[in-house]
Order: sequence, then structure tokens, then C-alpha cells
Amino acid sequence: DQQVKQNSPSLSVQEGRISILNCDYTNSMFDYFLWYKKYPAEGPTFLISISSIKDKNEDGRFTVFLNKSAKHLSLHIVPSQPGDSAVYFCAASVLGSSNTGKLIFGQGTTLQVKP
Amino acid sequence: EADIYQTPRYLVIGTGKKITLECSQTMGHDKMYWYQQDPGMELHLIHYSYGVNSTEKGDLSSESTVSRIRTEHFPLTLESARPSHTSQYLCASSGRAGDRGYEQYFGPGTRLTVT
Repeated sequence: DQQVKQNSPSLSVQEGRISILNCDYTNSMFDYFLWYKKYPAEGPTFLISISSIKDKNEDGRFTVFLNKSAKHLSLHIVPSQPGDSAVYFCAASVLGSSNTGKLIFGQGTTLQVKP
Repeated sequence: EADIYQTPRYLVIGTGKKITLECSQTMGHDKMYWYQQDPGMELHLIHYSYGVNSTEKGDLSSESTVSRIRTEHFPLTLESARPSHTSQYLCASSGRAGDRGYEQYFGPGTRLTVT
């Protein structure tokens, strides 16, 4: 049973427009949600995170929104740039997992930003 | 700056060979992880360690083994490689949870092909 789901395998947007990447989860015990960005043949890099006690976190062009009642979060990129083209992974950690620091990842969404 | 290294970056090897994938980090992190990832799929945790001489199997069953004799070093070994082991292997580490949650730092990955 997949606890973190990214139902859109791919997304294509025009440069300068908004990119919205979505993530759904099933476990109400998740306490942090993180977004990672991955280029081909490289490891994922941290992008932005949000605590379950917040509903929004912003960092430059990137904003993450959390809707706990819907068990849904989204990553907004405004404005989108060609260099944002990559695979984006949503990840979550479980409350009380401080000993292990384990993360559960979604399947990823491939974003293509067209010039 | 996070420093975590993996070697080799690419490896093509024949069936039945023994291989060791190296992973080292210079951040003094106590927790380290190995993931397996195929295109379009989520990162599957195959091994983790929360300190020296502690290793645990992850959520995805794997025929590989790991060791953690030193804090900075977390190698993964396959005793007899098979074509089904063809995948990308990602190593990660994390320290204490901060305001970003349980952020994990990833190495560049090893792309393994077993012929």
C-alpha cells in the first residue's frame, strides 16, 4: 500500500507560467513533508519542506501548500524556468521516527518547462 | 555544503560477479541509507543504519548486504549479481532533525547494469 502518491507522472508548462505538482498521502501520522528535485544521473537534492503544523511554506519561487483534511500537498513554482525541468519527488516522515529518520517517497513527477 | 560520495558512478558487470558499491559522507551523520530507484518509480529503501555497527533491512527486500564499521562509510555488496539487480542505487545520510524535518542528503548514485 503506497502511503505517498504522486498521481501525475509528467507535467509540461511554458516558461514563465506556474507549475503545480501534487502529492497525496494516506498516513495521518506524517509530521514532515519534503520535496526533492532530481536530474538524470544525479542524486535527489532537497528543495523545500513543510511541517504538518503549518499550511504553507515559501522559499523564493517555490511554495508548498499543505491541506491536512484532504491529505494533500502541492508544490508551486512561479515563474517556471527551463532549468526547473527535472523529476520532483514528494517525501514524508513519520512522527516518532527520529531514531531512523526514514522517509517515504512518492513515484515522482517529471516536469518539463518549455522555453 | 553536504558532502556524500558514491563510487563507481556507472558499472556494467556480468552475471554472477561480486560487486561492492561504495558510499562515504564527511558530515558526521549518524544515519545512512541505501535506496534502489528505477525510472518512473519511487525510491525504495533497501537498507539503513542509525549508527556504527547497526544495520537494518528496508521496506524493499534486497539480496544485497551492507556494513557500517565507520561512521562515514556505508558500502553495499552484492555477492552474485543478476540482471534483475540492474537499477540505480542511491546512498543518503541524515543527521538530527532540524527545521526542515528529517532532511536526507543524497550522493550522485551508481547506475548498475548486469548483463
